[in-house]
Amino acid sequence: AQKVTQAQTEISVVEKEDVTLDCVYETRDTTYYLFWYKQPPSGELVFLIRRNSFDEQNEISGRYSWNFQKSTSSFNFTITASQVVDSAVYFCALSSNTGGFKTIFGAGTRLFVKA
Amino acid sequence: DTGVSQNPRHKITKRGQNVTFRCDPISEHNRLYWYRQTLGQGPEFLTYFQNEAQLEKSRLLSDRFSAERPKGSFSTLEIQRTEQGDSAMYLCASSSDDRDSYTFGSGTRLTVV
Repeated sequence: AQKVTQAQTEISVVEKEDVTLDCVYETRDTTYYLFWYKQPPSGELVFLIRRNSFDEQNEISGRYSWNFQKSTSSFNFTITASQVVDSAVYFCALSSNTGGFKTIFGAGTRLFVKA
Repeated sequence: DTGVSQNPRHKITKRGQNVTFRCDPISEHNRLYWYRQTLGQGPEFLTYFQNEAQLEKSRLLSDRFSAERPKGSFSTLEIQRTEQGDSAMYLCASSSDDRDSYTFGSGTRLTVV
């Protein structure tokens, strides 16, 4: 079975704080892809990052960084020096061969960044 | 290309009526997906197309739901005899291949009263 768990329903931080959004996934496939999407209040989901299962190298993009650990089946997302514009719902997602490479999403984590 | 376009943005309908939504994907994308999202939840997969072929349908998609992509371009999602439980945001996405990220449209918010 494939599953994505985002245990944090809501997180509230003050601007400039660092925040980490957790994601744990389940799959029996050896080839799979992990994603993060952002859904701002406007509603449109925006792609942030994709990692394949063979590339555990962490990635940094500006204030965003991602930590992929196969040993713990986790793909966590950290925002450094958060800003009010980071307020959104963030979804972790998984696609793999068993699922026909259609993407399944976690329930999302709502991030509030207060000024 | 203007991205993935969905129409209408909002639809209010009475229970029992039929509704149809349209999605225009990015033109060079051959994969098109429909998802449903309810409040506080992540998108749930409904169905997807590769070109004009519908390759998979979720068990969430009852026989009141039908989707088409007649020429491998735009797609329509029809719900017959709508029920209040159908109220949700219906999202369309497209991608260039099965391992690529999705580009989502803004969604159609359906309210069944």
